[in-house]
Amino acid sequence: DVKVTQSSRYLVKRTGEKVFLECVQDMDHENMFWYRQDPGLGLRLIYFSYDVKMKEKGDIPEGYSVSREKKERFSLILESASTNQTSMYLCASSLIGAEGLDTEAFFGQGTRLTVV
Amino acid sequence: AQKITQTQPGMFVQEKEAVTLDCTYDTSDPSYGLFWYKQPSSGEMIFLIYQGSYDQQNATEGRYSLNFQKARKSANLVISASQLGDSAMYFCSGGNTGKLIFGQGTTLQVKP
Repeated sequence: DVKVTQSSRYLVKRTGEKVFLECVQDMDHENMFWYRQDPGLGLRLIYFSYDVKMKEKGDIPEGYSVSREKKERFSLILESASTNQTSMYLCASSLIGAEGLDTEAFFGQGTRLTVV
Repeated sequence: AQKITQTQPGMFVQEKEAVTLDCTYDTSDPSYGLFWYKQPSSGEMIFLIYQGSYDQQNATEGRYSLNFQKARKSANLVISASQLGDSAMYFCSGGNTGKLIFGQGTTLQVKP
């Protein structure tokens, strides 16, 4: 079974802190993603990566950065946490399939981040 | 896909009846994939069904089928014979070459 593991289930941080959310997948997937999920807004893509050291902005990258130094690990960094970054953060990974199309994504269990 | 739209925030269906969850997508890519996921109250994301843009036939997986109308840019999910366990949030998503985006979601409640 594909496993995507996020380092924390719940996290409470103070405003202004630098926050690291870690994600590891064990199935050699090329693609990795970070989303935040908020009620009524669905999942919004923050950043994605299709290869080691490659990163692309999603729809809401402001206030976030990412790092992918190894294929299996994709880190989300909140440079200076703010209260409006309180949310559920979901990491996912997927293969690049036939014809270059993405296959289904596998998700981690999510990290509920609260910034106070 | 550049944008995925789900216009039904909430839906009710009677147990054993069929229900259609709407999804429209906006993309300029000639090739793309469309997906549906289920998120029960436990929070896990469960993959349900996939449709490739070049697929000629609508995808089916058990009680799930995807009504794919390319000209209308719609990819509606049909759940037949609804069960109480189908009560959950449902997300439509689409993407190509790495950028996978999601709609706002539809909460489905199945009534006994």
